[in-house]
This record gives sequence, structure tokens and C-alpha cells, in this order.
Amino acid sequence: DTGVSQDPRHKITKRGQNVTFRCDPISEHNRLYWYRQTLGQGPEFLTYFQNEAQLEKSRLLSDRFSAERPKGSFSTLEIQRTEQGDSAMYLCASSLAGRDGYTFGSGTRLTVV
Amino acid sequence: AQSVTQLDSQVPVFEEAPVELRCNYSSSVSVYLFWYVQYPNQGLQLLLKYLSGSTLVKGINGFEAEFNKSQTSFHLRKPSVHISDTAEYFCAVRTSGGSNYKLTFGKGTLLTVNP
Repeated sequence: DTGVSQDPRHKITKRGQNVTFRCDPISEHNRLYWYRQTLGQGPEFLTYFQNEAQLEKSRLLSDRFSAERPKGSFSTLEIQRTEQGDSAMYLCASSLAGRDGYTFGSGTRLTVV
Repeated sequence: AQSVTQLDSQVPVFEEAPVELRCNYSSSVSVYLFWYVQYPNQGLQLLLKYLSGSTLVKGINGFEAEFNKSQTSFHLRKPSVHISDTAEYFCAVRTSGGSNYKLTFGKGTLLTVNP
């Protein structure tokens, strides 16, 4: 297993377009987390899944954001009608339930122009 | 709710010098504490964590941290740094009794090791 994979690594999009990011966690990890990191800030929690169930969503996750983990394996994060304020690094992490210490992916850097 | 304050946004040091990166937290309940490192264009890697037991925690790459409950601090230390330690370091906290394992991060400290 090579760790947590995120695709794409970079995405440049025009304001108003929709974008989708993918995260493939470590195969045996049943928990998957999404965080957002803006310049000069630490990561901020967005949402997490245990298996296919989305168990918590941050208030940061507006109605334009949706995340899925349909089969309890990979996850997608979609942003509709992107805004310049959405420009950030989107980080995915996975872990086993009951275990502390995530494994993070390398992130997807989104730039909205 | 918890919060984390990393007192220094940037720490420049010379190679082989000791370093301390400071972290204070605020919480009304018991917490677990973590330090992560982020190299340029990469995700975060866990350096060490305090869950319970000895307040001095040793991590990877020669780093250690000490949990001080009375001062609500969890400072990260290394006795002798290398050029390769240049990176951003994040302190994080989570509620010890929570089930979601959601982390609250500080804003980070950029450690720059100069030759």
C-alpha cells in the first residue's frame, strides 16, 4: 500500500465552474477525513466518513460542497459554482476507527481565477 | 471547543543548534495532543502524539515534546537540527472523549534551518 492518494495534485478553474477531487485512502482504513488548508493557516476540518456513512460536516462546508464515499473506499469532494475564496489546498486523510494519528495525502491545490 | 496557538510563525536556526517550537492550547475538557510536519508540496506527517501516560513523548526524526497540563502547553524540541528539518510544523488537539477524532490545528510554525 502506497498511502493516501489524491487526484489531481493541482487544479486551476474559472470562477463559477464545478470541480471534483478524488481521494483513495489506505485500503484497510475505514475512516476518511477532508480538511482545507489556506495560505498561512493550519488545516481546517470539513467532513469525515466512517465506511460509507458521512458522520459529521463542518459549518465551513457550504451547500456548494458535497462529499461522498459510495462504497466505503475512495471519496470525492465536489465544489459547485466555485468562488475565489475556495482557493486552497484540500487534504484527505484516513485512519482506522479508534486509532489516533491520520495518514494524510499530498493534497489537491485548487486555484480559482 | 478547543483552540491552538503556535506562538511563533517563523523560527530560523542554524544547523546543529537546538530548537523549541511552542504550542499552547485552550480547552474546557481533556485533550489529546499532536505534532505534524509538512514538507513543501506534501501532506502532513505525524511526528508524535500525547494520549496519556508519561508527559515526555518521543517521536520520529529525534523530536520530542512535553505535555504540561498546568501551563496548557505542548512544546516541541530537538537538541540538534539538520537542514532536512526545514518544514512547517503544526500542533493539533482533539477532545479525548470524542468519537470522531477530528483535529483542531494551529496556524503552523515555519522552521528554517540554515547552514
